[in-house]
Amino acid sequence: QKEVEQNSGPLSVPEGAIASLNCTYSDRGSQSFFWYRQYSGKSPELIMFIYSNGDKEDGRFTAQLNKASQYVSLLIRDSQPSDSATYLCAVTDNAGNMLTFGGGTRLMVKP
Amino acid sequence: NAGVTQTPKFQVLKTGQSMTLQCAQDMNHNSMYWYRQDPGMGLRLIYYSASEGTTDKGEVPNGYNVSRLNKREFSLRLESAAPSQTSVYFCASTLTGGKETQYFGPGTRLLVL
Repeated sequence: QKEVEQNSGPLSVPEGAIASLNCTYSDRGSQSFFWYRQYSGKSPELIMFIYSNGDKEDGRFTAQLNKASQYVSLLIRDSQPSDSATYLCAVTDNAGNMLTFGGGTRLMVKP
Repeated sequence: NAGVTQTPKFQVLKTGQSMTLQCAQDMNHNSMYWYRQDPGMGLRLIYYSASEGTTDKGEVPNGYNVSRLNKREFSLRLESAAPSQTSVYFCASTLTGGKETQYFGPGTRLLVL
């Protein structure tokens, strides 16, 4: 059973702070890694994807991947109340056919 | 473009009843997916269709059947609903496979009494 693990939270940060969200995965053959944001009662939407070891930055968001440690993270700089949502980590299988999602981390940004 | 659409938005069933959840996409995507999401949990893959004419089981296929009707449409059928199938069901699509961004529909909330 391939697993993707996330701390369920809630993770509470003050407005303007950096939020750090973490994810570990069990399948060493995984190739692609995604972060989705899901507001309550809505469908998931993609924030970022990363394929290679290292950091990838997009605006206030930075994804970090360490394949040796089987670890992927998402940093949100200058957190805003509108960032309050559940963040889902997702990992593809070796064949690239299926995504396995973690349980999600609920982020709360307090004004 | 409507993206990915799902019908119905909400449904209440009695144990043993059957129903079909409909999904359609207008993005000319080849791959389509059905997930379920239970409270406080991530999404679990039920079935997927890598391309028109093919379907494969995901993580939790028991109690479900699917049909890839054509390139646009992918339906999910519950033959005999059980309370354990109470969940939110999401359909998603990608251009060519799981390594790409998945675009999700708005979801169907199903309650089985």
